[in-house]
Order: sequence, then structure tokens, then C-alpha cells
Amino acid sequence: GAVVSQHPSRVICKSGTSVKIECRSLDFQATTMFWYRQFPKQSLMLMATSNEGSKATYEQGVEKDKFLINHASLTLSTLTVTSAHPEDSSFYICSAPGTGGFNYGYTFGSGTRLTVV
Amino acid sequence: KQEVTQIPAALSVPEGENLVLNCSFTDSAIYNLQWFRQDHGKGLTSLLLIQSSQREQTSGRLNASLDKSSGRSTLYIAASQPGDSATYLCAALFETSDQLTFGKGTKLSVIP
Repeated sequence: GAVVSQHPSRVICKSGTSVKIECRSLDFQATTMFWYRQFPKQSLMLMATSNEGSKATYEQGVEKDKFLINHASLTLSTLTVTSAHPEDSSFYICSAPGTGGFNYGYTFGSGTRLTVV
Repeated sequence: KQEVTQIPAALSVPEGENLVLNCSFTDSAIYNLQWFRQDHGKGLTSLLLIQSSQREQTSGRLNASLDKSSGRSTLYIAASQPGDSATYLCAALFETSDQLTFGKGTKLSVIP
């Protein structure tokens, strides 16, 4: 089945630095990748949608200059948290429609736990 | 506004019990509904996907049902085990969107 590989699984960084999170579709082409954030005891919140070869679409309230998304190929999408601050500490998960498109379920990465100190 | 609601937020049961998790959605025009499991600090694992034309899906001890007209889905877990302890999320794909709408999840604890 479709697999999305997400790295790193856990990262601790200093305030003011940038962190890059990668999501790769291993055995299928992901023309679309969704990026979610999850705060403790809350559900997933969609941050942005990336489409291969075009600019990402950000949800209201998400700073596009802070959360840079690149989807340069059909198998790789990256999320860079720039100038990270403690309030950016969260669990970030990517997701792509499985083979067959949106109607056939989504595959999720394993998530990245970001802690900004 | 399209929303997905899960009740209860938390559930604790003794090992061996059968249990039902509930999910409701505000718009019956959905393509499908998906149940996920999330272990603490981990990513999501897809459990069952029900297309809008289907009434239920089964996988092992899990059975998910879908009633579009009433805007409800249930996840039935038979003979619960401590390893079933996790947060269970349901997500709907509404026809007017290409993004999943998630419920807030039900945190299940199965007590040995």
C-alpha cells in the first residue's frame, strides 16, 4: 500500500533556528500533500496544502513566511519552520491521498515532534 | 460549517469488553469516512475506510458502520485488549472539499 515516510520523528531546536521536516511518498506519486499540526489533546488542524510544482495554499491564520512549504517533486514535500519559537512546539504530520486519489483514503506520515527551547 | 464530532472524549473499559465509539458529521454529502488510531506521540494509522455507498467495513475485531442520512458512524471494537488503548479519530471527506475534516478523537483506555 501507499507509504509516506516522514523525517525526522523528533527534533529539539533552539529558539530562532529553522527546522526542516520532510515527507516522501515511497511507492506512489503524491501530487498533493497536506500538512497538519496537532497541539496536545487537540485534533489535527490543517495548516496548508502543497501541490507539486506550484505554490502552497495556506489556511487562515497560518503564516506562510514562517512555515515554508516546498513540493518540488512528485515524491517529496518539505515543511520548514523558520525562526522557530517555543509556541511552534507541536506535532506536525503530513498526509497524501493514496493511490486512486482523494476518494480512496489518505496515508499519513509518522509525524514529527518539534520542541523549541 | 462542516464539522465532525466525537463523543465521548475519553472512555475507559475493562479488558475483554466490547465497545462502541461514536462519530457524527454535520453534512451528509460525504465521499467517505475514515477511522484512524493514534498512539501517544505517534502518527496516524488508518483503520477502516468506508465509502459513501457502503454501510460497514470490517477488519479483524474492528467494525465500522456508516449511516449517511443520520450523519453518523460508529467504530465497534470487540473483545478489547490493553493494546487497543489509543486515541481514535474519525475523519470525513465532504463532497465540497478535498481535505479531511477530523473529529477531536476519543481517548480509549483498556484496563487489564
